[in-house]
Amino acid sequence: AQKVTQAQTEISVVEKEDVTLDCVYETRDTTYYLFWYKQPPSGELVFLIRRNSFDEQNEISGRYSWNFQKSTSSFNFTITASQVVDSAVYFCALTTGSARQLTFGSGTQLTVLP
Amino acid sequence: SAVISQKPSRDICQRGTSLTIQCQVDSQVTMMFWYRQQPGQSLTLIATANQGSEATYESGFVIDKFPISRPNLTFSTLTVSNMSPEDSSIYLCSVDGLRLTQYFGPGTRLTVL
Repeated sequence: AQKVTQAQTEISVVEKEDVTLDCVYETRDTTYYLFWYKQPPSGELVFLIRRNSFDEQNEISGRYSWNFQKSTSSFNFTITASQVVDSAVYFCALTTGSARQLTFGSGTQLTVLP
Repeated sequence: SAVISQKPSRDICQRGTSLTIQCQVDSQVTMMFWYRQQPGQSLTLIATANQGSEATYESGFVIDKFPISRPNLTFSTLTVSNMSPEDSSIYLCSVDGLRLTQYFGPGTRLTVL
């Protein structure tokens, strides 16, 4: 069975602060993919990043960075210098080659205050 | 990534009625998925729809309640039947992209009175 845990239900920061969203996963498969999605108030789910289980390199994209650590089964997401437009619910998700369907975490509501 | 549209974007329906949600993709895709997101909750997979075969439903979801059609490689429908207020949710379709990445439609916000 697969499981994704996002322990932080809600986070509130002031604009320009850095914020890290935690994601811990469980799977017995050795091949899997991890994802982060953003869901703004409009409701659509926006794909942010994919990482496979064989690539532990961290990734940076503008103000976004991701830290994948297999040793702790974590795939954390950091927003640097947060902006009000970053306010959204962020979901971490997992899929394996066999299952194909996504298992989502419960999501973290991020509010960035001006 | 594929461009995905859903119709309707939102609807308010009466208890006991049915609503059919359409999902259109701008390119041919093998697998399409339907998710439900209840208010304040995460996404739960309803079923996987492959063209030319019956949809595969997840535990807790049945075909009589959520019939799905997949007539071709760019289109699918989900019907929410005999609705109750508990069916009030966002319904999202997604498609299977490169390296198992799923891309989502804008969602259908359903309110059942």
